[in-house]
Amino acid sequence: GAGVSQSPSNKVTEKGKDVELRCDPISGHTALYWYRQSLGQGLEFLIYFQGNSAPDKSGLPSDRFSAERTGGSVSTLTIQRTQQEDSAVYLCASSLSVSRGNTIYFGEGSWLTVV
Amino acid sequence: DAKTTQPPSMDCAEGRAANLPCNHSTISGNEYVYWYRQIHSQGPQYIIHGLKNNETNEMASLIITEDRKSSTLILPHATLRDTAVYYCIVSLFVNAGNMLTFGGGTRLMVKP
Repeated sequence: GAGVSQSPSNKVTEKGKDVELRCDPISGHTALYWYRQSLGQGLEFLIYFQGNSAPDKSGLPSDRFSAERTGGSVSTLTIQRTQQEDSAVYLCASSLSVSRGNTIYFGEGSWLTVV
Repeated sequence: DAKTTQPPSMDCAEGRAANLPCNHSTISGNEYVYWYRQIHSQGPQYIIHGLKNNETNEMASLIITEDRKSSTLILPHATLRDTAVYYCIVSLFVNAGNMLTFGGGTRLMVKP
């Protein structure tokens, strides 16, 4: 597609339920990034993928969070047993590669509300 | 890691140039300076980035000082639609990955 595509754009879920967020990067982009932005806050880096591998998962907030990427394209971010503090916009971004100086393009985000 | 310092807010008159400063005094030689903006409820929009030379594209110009410790983003003719939070970011290269760390940004208000 022309840009980074994320789905769902909005999700309201009950506390304790699992949610899955999807990111479809720009075609040909091997690097993919996940960020989180809570209301009125800055962007918090979560994880990145180069191809299908994620070298560093230390940015994930807790073990309830996991991410995977298969086929070097679409990625899913899964939050298990959601808590109210998980409510945020989850932003995905992609770039041609992880090399320095690449342009990183963001999607419009998935707005998650845990009630 | 290189941190950036930006004024929290700025005003600019419509049609005038908006000059947004950023200090990054601890930047290292191979770290790039990126600028993004975020309009309420939207994902960050890429504006421009550079290493040491000044850069210009259809959106803006980026002026980087010779010592690379600061930079200025210039929107040559600001419009009301340029009202947004502007983020100056020095990319981190962590675990072989190019990572952007967003700070507080500058809230630019373009006024008629």
